[in-house]
Amino acid sequence: QQQVKQSPQSLIVQKGGISIINCAYENTAFDYFPWYQQFPGKGPALLIAIRPDVSEKKEGRFTISFNKSAKQFSLHIMDSQPGDSATYFCAASRGGGTYKYIFGTGTRLKVLA
Amino acid sequence: GAVVSQHPSRVICKSGTSVKIECRSLDFQATTMFWYRQFPKQSLMLMATSNEGSKATYEQGVEKDKFLINHASLTLSTLTVTSAHPEDSSFYICSARPTGTKNEKLFFGSGTQLSVL
Repeated sequence: QQQVKQSPQSLIVQKGGISIINCAYENTAFDYFPWYQQFPGKGPALLIAIRPDVSEKKEGRFTISFNKSAKQFSLHIMDSQPGDSATYFCAASRGGGTYKYIFGTGTRLKVLA
Repeated sequence: GAVVSQHPSRVICKSGTSVKIECRSLDFQATTMFWYRQFPKQSLMLMATSNEGSKATYEQGVEKDKFLINHASLTLSTLTVTSAHPEDSSFYICSARPTGTKNEKLFFGSGTQLSVL
């Protein structure tokens, strides 16, 4: 119940295309869902996050779609650029003061020039 | 804003020695910090939750005597890998949550690559 399943494991997209990464969770107590971007040898950086009370959130080229009934959420990167090539992690956390994140397994994105 | 500084970024040590990694929140106070371990091409595995002024809470399977955590101030947490062995070689990352907010955002350090010879 504590797992967050992420797919695909790796993704290759042409420049200008749309990159889509999916995550699924089981624990309905999760109420905060961030996405992180990580470059090799660096710590994760927060991209965008969503709560279950909204179905979509957009920030620049990044959009989160959230389906509460299906317990799924996804990251869409519009107009993908070579500089977006990185590993992306979804995460989920449960409120109540613990603030511990459960991370997905990661998706290695490569955007071809 | 919300910068977390982690030091050193890379360390190589001999087997049996201890290594200390620092995690500092530069522009905010953090009552709670987290320590993670990440193997190549794998996800982040939470090791422990560090609470200022109290004992750290370790995740199941993490040896608290091997991975000593100290959170003596609201801006600094340290992780000491004691009597390091080659199997402790890994990428260690910290994160911090700004105090006094209900915001669940965590800000991450840039990580420490530990290599034990």
